[in-house]
Amino acid sequence: EAGVTQFPSHSVIEKGQTVTLRCDPISGHDNLYWYRRVMGKEIKFLLHFVKESKQDESGMPNNRFLAERTGGTYSTLKVQPAELEDSGVYFCASSQDVASGRIEQYFGPGTRLTVT
Amino acid sequence: GDSVTQMEGPVTLSEEAFLTINCTYTATGYPSLFWYVQYPGEGLQLLLKATKADDKGSNKGFEATYRKETTSFHLEKGSVQVSDSAVYFCALNTDKLIFGTGTRLQVFP
Repeated sequence: EAGVTQFPSHSVIEKGQTVTLRCDPISGHDNLYWYRRVMGKEIKFLLHFVKESKQDESGMPNNRFLAERTGGTYSTLKVQPAELEDSGVYFCASSQDVASGRIEQYFGPGTRLTVT
Repeated sequence: GDSVTQMEGPVTLSEEAFLTINCTYTATGYPSLFWYVQYPGEGLQLLLKATKADDKGSNKGFEATYRKETTSFHLEKGSVQVSDSAVYFCALNTDKLIFGTGTRLQVFP
């Protein structure tokens, strides 16, 4: 079974540019999460999809961040325009539906974003 | 709000030493508790979990017991190896994961 994949693994962009991160969850997982770790700090929740619907987007820092999950499969996270403080590692995770009782979240390798 | 506090690192040990990484939490309700590990150059991996009070999670020689009375979930291993060098994250789950800041473990031969 393939794990959670993320693309790209690294991205270096200039302040003001746009970047789009992609996450492909484990097949069949309804829940998809985005997290971010800013250098040296804790990993923080950004948002949670259940299938194609946003269940919780309370962690999104501001309206420069836009997440989508069309068709309930892969998800994209767009940052536009990027600022220096957006630098960090962006993790995606997925889990099966709550009804199954399998609550473990499986993480992708992360995308390291550097804004210069 | 809900939060996780874990000991700051780095923790530096010699091979075969005993490991403890402390983790305490604050939460309303009864969250599930997890330890995740990130090896160099890799993503986060679930190491172990416990879903209710007094549960003990274990994997790869690591153990942690969900202690409701002390709101703790300390990670232990009796004899660490060089290959255990990584960053360890304690987390609680209330629909979303809330993480501690991570503790870097360095094991030397």
